[in-house]
Amino acid sequence: EAQVTQNPRYLITVTGKKLTVTCSQNMNHEYMSWYRQDPGLGLRQIYYSMNVEVTDKGDVPEGYKVSRKEKRNFPLILESPSPNQTSLYFCASSLSQDRAEQYFGPGTRLTVT
Amino acid sequence: AQSVTQLGSHVSVSEGALVLLRCNYSSSVPPYLFWYVQYPNQGLQLLLKYTTGATLVKGINGFEAEFKKSETSFHLTKPSAHMSDAAEYFCAVRALTTDSWGKFQFGAGTQVVVTP
Repeated sequence: EAQVTQNPRYLITVTGKKLTVTCSQNMNHEYMSWYRQDPGLGLRQIYYSMNVEVTDKGDVPEGYKVSRKEKRNFPLILESPSPNQTSLYFCASSLSQDRAEQYFGPGTRLTVT
Repeated sequence: AQSVTQLGSHVSVSEGALVLLRCNYSSSVPPYLFWYVQYPNQGLQLLLKYTTGATLVKGINGFEAEFKKSETSFHLTKPSAHMSDAAEYFCAVRALTTDSWGKFQFGAGTQVVVTP
C-alpha cells in the first residue's frame, strides 16, 4: 500500500531533550516536506526536500533540523525542544515538481513540557 | 511572497444545501492551487488541484473549484452537502518561481459542520 508513515504518533517529552520524528514514504517520491499544524494557523511549512541531500527552509524552520540521506526517509530533529514546539506535525511527499499534489502522513502529536 | 486567505473559519450548512468555501491567494505569478480535506484525527487528503488548463476542476466526493485569475480566487463548491462532508478544509498554494517551487502555503482552514 502506497503510504507515508510517521513515528511516533504521540510523544510527550521535556524541554531540552533531543528527539527525532521519523518519516518514510514507499512511493519513490522526490519531494518531501514537514509541516506543523496549530489551531487557527493552518499548516505551516518547516522544511522541505526536493531530492536526496537537497533541503531548504520553509516558513518556520527555527528550532528544527532535517536530513535527506535516502530518498524514502526524511526525519525531523528537534535538538532542544521547547514548549512552543508543542504541536501536531505532518510529513508529506509528492512525486515531482510537476506532480505536486502531496500525500500526507497520519501526524505526530508532540507535547513538550 | 505568496499568501493564502480562507474566508470564514467555521461554516455551517444544512444537509442537501450548497457548500461554498472561499480561498483567495496573493502571488506575483499564478501558482498551483490545491484543496485538501482533514477528517478528525487524520492526515490531509487531496480533494482537487489546479495547475494549468481548464479553470474549473473537479475533484473527489462531488467537489469542484474554479480558478479565477482576475479575482485571485479558488473557491470550493459542492452542490449538495452530505453529513460525511463534515471536516476541516484547507486551501494551499505552491509557488512557481524556480527558486522556491518547493514552498507551500496553507490557509488557516475552514471547519464545515453539516446539520440534518
